[in-house]
Amino acid sequence: EAGVAQSPRYKIIEKRQSVAFWCNPISGHATLYWYQQILGQGPKLLIQFQNNGVVDDSQLPKDRFSAERLKGVDSTLKIQPAKLEDSAVYLCASSRRGSATGELFFGEGSRLTVL
Amino acid sequence: AQKVTQAQTEISVVEKEDVTLDCVYETRDTTYYLFWYKQPPSGELVFLIRRNSFDEQNEISGRYSWNFQKSTSSFNFTITASQVVDSAVYFCALRGIIQGAQKLVFGQGTRLTINP
Repeated sequence: EAGVAQSPRYKIIEKRQSVAFWCNPISGHATLYWYQQILGQGPKLLIQFQNNGVVDDSQLPKDRFSAERLKGVDSTLKIQPAKLEDSAVYLCASSRRGSATGELFFGEGSRLTVL
Repeated sequence: AQKVTQAQTEISVVEKEDVTLDCVYETRDTTYYLFWYKQPPSGELVFLIRRNSFDEQNEISGRYSWNFQKSTSSFNFTITASQVVDSAVYFCALRGIIQGAQKLVFGQGTRLTINP
């Protein structure tokens, strides 16, 4: 089966500009996650969707970050305006269900550099 | 609070040596799950193993083995006869309930370099 697809792989922008990342999860996976991975750190959950509803966005900086999953399939993460500290890899993951036993499948990530 | 600590930031060994990656976790949950993921240079996190809190049986998969000890809150990962392809960043993760929701919390990762 096809894995989690993300685009773009790399993006360089200047601070205060906006950027959007796209994720297409594995077919049939109801749960979708966006993680932020800053260099040298472990991934940190930004937002979790169950179908097209938000389950958890407690660590999403809502003043500048937004995410949607309108049809319960693919998702978009937007940052506007970007700050220097947003430089990171943004990882999308999906799982068949949101339970504790659900194994997460990750995409290759979108690397953002903010200058 | 849920927390995962991987004290080893970087490890470098020569090929064919055995290497153990340490993972210590903190949780108040009685039911939780522990994971190991591998992150090669491509960036994708690859699932290696999942363990639930009620199963302390150690597991072996080829050259990989895992030692889960609840008494010390540790879930260590050993690679036997390491190979260059094992070079990657390895993450230990804990899945439990935070603020009423299931969350996967990662450690800082251990960068493993296997030298030929």
